[in-house]
Amino acid sequence: DVVMTQSPLSLPVTLGQPASISCRSNQSLIHSDGNTYLNWFQQRPGQSPRRLIYKVSNRDSGVPDRFSGSGSGTDFTLKISRVEAEDVGVYYCMQGTRWLWTFGQGTKVEIK
Amino acid sequence: QVQLVESGGDLVKTGGSLRLSCAASGFIFSDYYMSWIRQAPGKGLEWVSYISSGGSSIYYSDSVKGRFTISRDNAKNSLYLQMNSLRAEDTAVYYCARSGRSPDYWGQGTLVTVSS
Repeated sequence: DVVMTQSPLSLPVTLGQPASISCRSNQSLIHSDGNTYLNWFQQRPGQSPRRLIYKVSNRDSGVPDRFSGSGSGTDFTLKISRVEAEDVGVYYCMQGTRWLWTFGQGTKVEIK
Repeated sequence: QVQLVESGGDLVKTGGSLRLSCAASGFIFSDYYMSWIRQAPGKGLEWVSYISSGGSSIYYSDSVKGRFTISRDNAKNSLYLQMNSLRAEDTAVYYCARSGRSPDYWGQGTLVTVSS
C-alpha cells in the first residue's frame, strides 16, 4: 500500500497567520493517465470530512481561496494563507492513484 | 443538493453481522462510483470498500476482505455494506461517500460498535 506521511501532526496557529501542512508518499502519485490524485480533506470537530482540494491544487466549490494545494510526485503541501477560527479541525491528505487508497494520519490545527 | 444518509449502525457482538445502508439523493446515483470509509473512535480515516457505477468493479481493504460485501441498487439509489464476522477492531463510524478517485461528498456516518 502507498503510505502517506503528514507533518506536523499538531499545528498550533495564531489567528490571521499562515499555516502549512506537508504530506509525503512513499511512491509517486502520478497515475498512468497523467493525473496526480492527491486530495486534502478538512474534518471539523463533530463533523464528517469535507473535501477541500482535489488533484493536488484544485479547490472544491465553496472552499475559501485562503486554502491552496501544491506539490508533485511524492511531496505535497496544503497552505492556509490566514487562519480563521473556523479552520480548526483535523486535515487529511489522501491518495487516489493506487488502490488501496490511503489517508495520512491527520494534522490537528488549533488556535494558539 | 447531494445528500447521503447512512443507517444500520448498531451495537453487535463479536462474530455477529450487520448491514449498513446509504440512501443517496440529489444526483444521478447510477453515474457514480461509491465508497465506504470508516473512522475508529479518535482515530484517522480508513478506506473500506469501493464499487463502480454499475457494480462490476469492487475493491476491499485487506482488513475486511472476505468478511464484508459492498453492493448497490441503482433503482433504489442505495448503497449497502454487509458486514459479517465482526471484530472489535471494526468498531467505527462508517461513512458512505460519492467517489471517483476522491470522495467529494460524505454522509454523516453511522456508528458500528462491536463488543463481546
